[in-house]
Amino acid sequence: DGGITQSPKYLFRKEGQNVTLSCEQNLNHDAMYWYRQDPGQGLRLIYYSQIVNDFQKGDIAEGYSVSREKKESFPLTVTSAQKNPTAFYLCASSKRSGGYYNEQFFGPGTRLTVL
Amino acid sequence: AQKVTQAQTEISVVEKEDVTLDCVYETRDTTYYLFWYKQPPSGELVFLIRRNSFDEQNEISGRYSWNFQKSTSSFNFTITASQVVDSAVYFCALSEASYSGGGADGLTFGKGTHLIIQP
Repeated sequence: DGGITQSPKYLFRKEGQNVTLSCEQNLNHDAMYWYRQDPGQGLRLIYYSQIVNDFQKGDIAEGYSVSREKKESFPLTVTSAQKNPTAFYLCASSKRSGGYYNEQFFGPGTRLTVL
Repeated sequence: AQKVTQAQTEISVVEKEDVTLDCVYETRDTTYYLFWYKQPPSGELVFLIRRNSFDEQNEISGRYSWNFQKSTSSFNFTITASQVVDSAVYFCALSEASYSGGGADGLTFGKGTHLIIQP
């Protein structure tokens, strides 16, 4: 089945440690995105990538880093510089059709708790 | 800057009632896309609909319908004859198209409306 995989579902880390969240898609989608969701809040864009080896900062990129070495993969690293890393992280992807991008499809999310 | 407002934080209705979720948006672009997503308790967002700014026709899909009005910058979502399975958080989102097309630069989300359908 085609879809977006995020692992792990739950992640616990000690304060001051970097942690990498995985996102893989087998939909052959061109663009990939990372969002953060806090309780009672909407999703906020962290980073996005429209093509391999290229990515752009979203609204809240500080304290995060990404890479896009393969079309299928877009890992997110939460660094120790991120002041409030505890949140629900969602990865999404979308397909480019002609000059436009279609709707985004989301993975199941990773809930990160920093102790 | 673009903005999406969902003023209703939580709505609770009894099963079989109709319910409307409000969405008001702000954008300076003339070309943009609007979306609705559903987030059940499992957490994964489920895509419901995409509408571009040039298409103001209302859309109906089963018990779901959407009313897009550019004059009031609103894109409201109505569930007819609600069911317990409709209980979820619903998000409205906006993307300015630019030359990259809708969704290329990520979506701007509202804070969501938590819909509770009581049996």
